[in-house]
Amino acid sequence: GENVEQHPSTLSVQEGDSAVIKCTYSDSASNYFPWYKQELGKGPQLIIDIRSNVGEKKDQRIAVTLNKTAKHFSLHITETQPEDSAVYFCAASIWETGANSKLTFGKGITLSVRP
Amino acid sequence: EAQVTQNPRYLITVTGKKLTVTCSQNMNHEYMSWYRQDPGLGLRQIYYSMNVEVTDKGDVPEGYKVSRKEKRNFPLILESPSPNQTSLYFCASKAGDLYNSPLHFGNGTRLTVT
Repeated sequence: GENVEQHPSTLSVQEGDSAVIKCTYSDSASNYFPWYKQELGKGPQLIIDIRSNVGEKKDQRIAVTLNKTAKHFSLHITETQPEDSAVYFCAASIWETGANSKLTFGKGITLSVRP
Repeated sequence: EAQVTQNPRYLITVTGKKLTVTCSQNMNHEYMSWYRQDPGLGLRQIYYSMNVEVTDKGDVPEGYKVSRKEKRNFPLILESPSPNQTSLYFCASKAGDLYNSPLHFGNGTRLTVT
């Protein structure tokens, strides 16, 4: 089955700097890659996602890049703010009509933004 | 407000005492799923349901049961809880067949089994 590795496990940055979180996946058939943010006491929330037919996607201060050949994808957060402090999960899935599009999650990374 | 509601938020129980964690969504989603979150292991799928009366095992189904008698509800049942089921549990739902339909999570149920 799919295996998603996420690294590093913790990341601390100064407010205003950029943060990059990297994930690798094992199943070349995976075609959907979402990123989730989990704040303390809450469930994960989707912040951005990318399909396998796209190399990069941006949404304001957040971007995701995908390298299918190397089987890795990354989350980029620019101009970090204290409210970006949270646990971030990457995930991968094989989307098929009518099937369980199960997300396989990485172990999560705790991002701390120092004021 | 569109949401996934889990109850209770916190639960402490003893080994062997049956319990149910409820999950309800108000978005008319076909797909629902249960995950458990453990330190160093991330989120792992327990069971999922593609629609009413259709359920199937995820990656870690042992010791759990689910039912999907109505579209909005997807309870998680632990018939005989054990300490290794101490964890943070999340229910999630999404629209059935949309490619990138986001998975909506509840706020979690922290279960402790002593």
